[in-house]
Amino acid sequence: QKEVEQDPGPLSVPEGAIVSLNCTYSNSAFQYFMWYRQYSRKGPELLMYTYSSGNKEDGRFTAQVDKSSKYISLFIRDSQPSDSATYLCAMILGGGADGLTFGKGTHLIIQP
Amino acid sequence: DVKVTQSSRYLVKRTGEKVFLECVQDMDHENMFWYRQDPGLGLRLIYFSYDVKMKEKGDIPEGYSVSREKKERFSLILESASTNQTSMYLCASRPQMNTEAFFGQGTRLTVV
Repeated sequence: QKEVEQDPGPLSVPEGAIVSLNCTYSNSAFQYFMWYRQYSRKGPELLMYTYSSGNKEDGRFTAQVDKSSKYISLFIRDSQPSDSATYLCAMILGGGADGLTFGKGTHLIIQP
Repeated sequence: DVKVTQSSRYLVKRTGEKVFLECVQDMDHENMFWYRQDPGLGLRLIYFSYDVKMKEKGDIPEGYSVSREKKERFSLILESASTNQTSMYLCASRPQMNTEAFFGQGTRLTVV
């Protein structure tokens, strides 16, 4: 079973706020996790790639993976209007040829 | 930087036409993918290829075929376009298994 759940939003927050975006998944065989940002009418852009449970930080972005709970998160600090986009989580089963399985995306709006 | 280039940003075709969507990557990646993206349905995998002349069906291959004659190029073919194939088509590549994928800018196809 390949199923990834992600709240579609929209999620609207004021500029400067901390944003929390989340995905849950049902298949414990997922091993690799990514977050993509997609602006309207553009292709997805890779933000973060993680494998192990725990946190990974890159600038204002922190990716968190909890494999025991089958839950991943992306935190955005000091949010900016330019962060307004759709955020997609994606994951890979691993161990062989396989495409990415995506959540349906969360539409994020940062209000100036 | 990885560059994945799709031949067209926007395309309008008539029902019954044969349609070719081209994708080229410049990083010698082994794996290439075609997804379609629709509102409320997210990204769905059509086909992928892990080597030249190799192809694997994804989740929704019906009505599509692919060709990979050279490592850098992966083509998606709609043998007889139908209106339900109106969608955003996204090509992606990745260097090997269990790594992140990089996307092109997308082709918005409208079949009338």
